[in-house]
Amino acid sequence: GAVVSQHPSRVICKSGTSVKIECRSLDFQATTMFWYRQFPKQSLMLMATSNEGSKATYEQGVEKDKFLINHASLTLSTLTVTSAHPEDSSFYICSARTSGGYYNEQFFGPGTRLTVL
Amino acid sequence: AQSVAQPEDQVNVAEGNPLTVKCTYSVSGNPYLFWYVQYPNRGLQFLLKYITGDNLVKGSYGFEAEFNKSQTSFHLKKPSALVSDSALYFCAVRDINTNAGKSTFGDGTTLTVKP
Repeated sequence: GAVVSQHPSRVICKSGTSVKIECRSLDFQATTMFWYRQFPKQSLMLMATSNEGSKATYEQGVEKDKFLINHASLTLSTLTVTSAHPEDSSFYICSARTSGGYYNEQFFGPGTRLTVL
Repeated sequence: AQSVAQPEDQVNVAEGNPLTVKCTYSVSGNPYLFWYVQYPNRGLQFLLKYITGDNLVKGSYGFEAEFNKSQTSFHLKKPSALVSDSALYFCAVRDINTNAGKSTFGDGTTLTVKP
């Protein structure tokens, strides 16, 4: 199946710094990418949907100025957590969907564990 | 609005026994249904999907799921569980007629298979 990578897999940063997470589709073109946040033993919370070349659409309650999303190419999307705080510590997962319609399954990255000290 | 319910937080089965992980859904249009598995500190892996056609869908690792429209269910099943099947399982629904094709995930069910 299609492969989605995320980098880094783990990051520890100090409060107030910014962290960038990369999501790449390795063997397919992803017109749409999704960013999720997952708390321990909880489901995935959709943060935003990004389409290549367009501004991301954020879910209600997600601060777009804090979680900057860039989908500059068909194989790369980035999530930047700006001025991170301890409450931003979480597991962030990206997902990519192939072109061809809404019914295509999503392929998920392995996740990034962010810890803000 | 679309929603998914996984009524069991935890399912325990003995190795070799059949397993069922339950999922019910609610959508206004035609449902597209998915099952994913997540191992600790990993992303989700696709198991199977129902789009249309045969109600019984076969997926990866010997898993299957049955779409039941009247009961709005999409339970995940496997005839003989393995210890390695122990993981967190998510059901997801997508309604392409609304919500821009975004998926809604259930809260997850932790499957534990004991030797």
